[in-house]
Amino acid sequence: QQQVKQSPQSLIVQKGGISIINCAYENTAFDYFPWYQQFPGKGPALLIAIRPDVSEKKEGRFTISFNKSAKQFSLHIMDSQPGDSATYFCAASKDPYRYNFNKFYFGSGTKLNVKP
Amino acid sequence: GAGVSQTPSNKVTEKGKYVELRCDPISGHTALYWYRQSLGQGPEFLIYFQGTGAADDSGLPNDRFFAVRPEGSVSTLKIQRTERGDSAVYLCASSSSGRTGELFFGEGSRLTVL
Repeated sequence: QQQVKQSPQSLIVQKGGISIINCAYENTAFDYFPWYQQFPGKGPALLIAIRPDVSEKKEGRFTISFNKSAKQFSLHIMDSQPGDSATYFCAASKDPYRYNFNKFYFGSGTKLNVKP
Repeated sequence: GAGVSQTPSNKVTEKGKYVELRCDPISGHTALYWYRQSLGQGPEFLIYFQGTGAADDSGLPNDRFFAVRPEGSVSTLKIQRTERGDSAVYLCASSSSGRTGELFFGEGSRLTVL
């Protein structure tokens, strides 16, 4: 059973546009939701993360929106740039700080292509 | 280097052979994770070490898979009697403790079983 569902599978955006990637989770025990960015041939790297005590978190051009009642969260990339072209993974877990453990359940990934 | 180092970067083996994949975490990181990434999929949890002990190995698919971290630093993932379905990129990650949400991933070891 897939714990985290991610869409779309791929996304093409023009430079300067907004990229939006959506994720949904099942387990209500999850309370930590990171997004990881992966370039070809590299390992994933943490981009931004949110806990459910807030509905939105912004870091530069990257924003996570979180809807606890719908069990959904999304990544918005404002003013998308060709350098943002990568695969993005959402993930969910129990709070690492409380459980001293990072057992992430990852979505299947979204391949973003930002056209110049 | 300062990052997580994994060797080999690429391993091609025949069905039924034994394989070892090595991970050298960031110095001082006590937590170490193995994940497996199949083509077009997100990473899938295999095992977590806190220090020398495996705190959670619930993601290991079967008893052909085993991992060790004898001195609390370098870890080795061992796969016996490899099968074609084991083909994937095996990712190692480390973190300063289990309490931080940030994992630092290596570039992975791509395993191909013919």
